[in-house]
Amino acid sequence: NAGVTQTPKFQVLKTGQSMTLQCAQDMNHEYMSWYRQDPGMGLRLIHYSVGAGITDQGEVPNGYNVSRSTTEDFPLRLLSAAPSQTSVYFCASSYSTPGQGALDTQYFGPGTRLTVL
Amino acid sequence: LAKTTQPISMDSYEGQEVNITCSHNNIATNDYITWYQQFPSQGPRFIIQGYKTKVTNEVASLFIPADRKSSTLSLPRVSLSDTAVYYCLVGDDYTGGFKTIFGAGTRLFVKA
Repeated sequence: NAGVTQTPKFQVLKTGQSMTLQCAQDMNHEYMSWYRQDPGMGLRLIHYSVGAGITDQGEVPNGYNVSRSTTEDFPLRLLSAAPSQTSVYFCASSYSTPGQGALDTQYFGPGTRLTVL
Repeated sequence: LAKTTQPISMDSYEGQEVNITCSHNNIATNDYITWYQQFPSQGPRFIIQGYKTKVTNEVASLFIPADRKSSTLSLPRVSLSDTAVYYCLVGDDYTGGFKTIFGAGTRLFVKA
């Protein structure tokens, strides 16, 4: 079991460039989510998905797109990178919806550290 | 929205018991309370979860009063390796979807 994997670990972009952060899980979890964490701050939810084909916005969705074509994969796309998107990005998955019971423990990936110049 | 409030930071010494309290006044009937721990440069990891009264595992205890408007994470006999950020999470049903809100967390610093 690899758990939740994220690629790349580090990335530097120039303003205006686009890229996709990859996230995959092998635990057959229905719920997946993307968070960003700025220095010294907590995590903020960007987008989440409750199953293949279903996505929704979190607290800070602007500038990001997601899709969920399979249960395993949940890529995050930056459409036109801006310096304000410099952050560490974490992907997480859980068997059920967080906060709703014993099967909702979120498993986090190792993170992608993104710098936008 | 079921928002949480925690102390920003706490200091402790090795061997002491640490109690971190989280307020969640608007917790919904079906919501569980979950605590996560995050070390620098790592993603958060699950510590403990509860619905009411007391829950204990090999790492921590969680105390939840009858009104469920707060919860207290108790770490017995902390060590230097317990220095981390601790997040209290409550499920949040918002416009038909489900979102989890991480607050800023509590930075625990354990000294020798």
